[in-house]
Amino acid sequence: DTGVSQDPRHKITKRGQNVTFRCDPISEHNRLYWYRQTLGQGPEFLTYFQNEAQLEKSRLLSDRFSAERPKGSFSTLEIQRTEQGDSAMYLCASRRSRLGPGELFFGEGSRLTVL
Amino acid sequence: ELKVEQNPLFLSMQEGKNYTIYCNYSTTSDRLYWYRQDPGKSLESLFVLLSNGAVKQEGRLMASLDTKARLSTLHITAAVHDLSATYFCAVFLPNAGNNRKLIWGLGTSLAVNP
Repeated sequence: DTGVSQDPRHKITKRGQNVTFRCDPISEHNRLYWYRQTLGQGPEFLTYFQNEAQLEKSRLLSDRFSAERPKGSFSTLEIQRTEQGDSAMYLCASRRSRLGPGELFFGEGSRLTVL
Repeated sequence: ELKVEQNPLFLSMQEGKNYTIYCNYSTTSDRLYWYRQDPGKSLESLFVLLSNGAVKQEGRLMASLDTKARLSTLHITAAVHDLSATYFCAVFLPNAGNNRKLIWGLGTSLAVNP
């Protein structure tokens, strides 16, 4: 296993278009997180899954954002009607359940540019 | 609301010198993490600190945690250019149940110059 993988790595889109990002976590990790990071900032929490259940979603997250993890393995993050303010790096991370130190393992990220 | 503050946000240092990065947080938490991020890359876990007085070392980096003071430090010894990166601390916000969020500092951008 090579870690958390994300696809695509880069996406350029026009304002108003929809985009979807995919995340494949480390196989034995049942917890999956999405974060957003802009330049000069730390990661901002978006949402969190335990297996297929979406257990938490940031209050700051617009209704244009939706995430799924249908079979408890890979996850998708969709942004509808993109806006220029959505331009950011979208990071996916996974971790084991309660056992262990709880550190997150991050993917390489998907960079979104909205023109 | 948990706030995590790092100091300094930018650090330029010479090779061979020592320096410390500070991470303060505003409420009780039982876990603190240090991550490294290279430009355009993702975040790499450096240290996990789980208890008061915890100290961990890896190469030229040493991290410590004082939960009473709500302070963690990342000490750099005899810096080398390869340590140039952005360093983030992150603290778990203790919510009810098992749904916890990781609250991040803004990061310390470190440049080690020859």
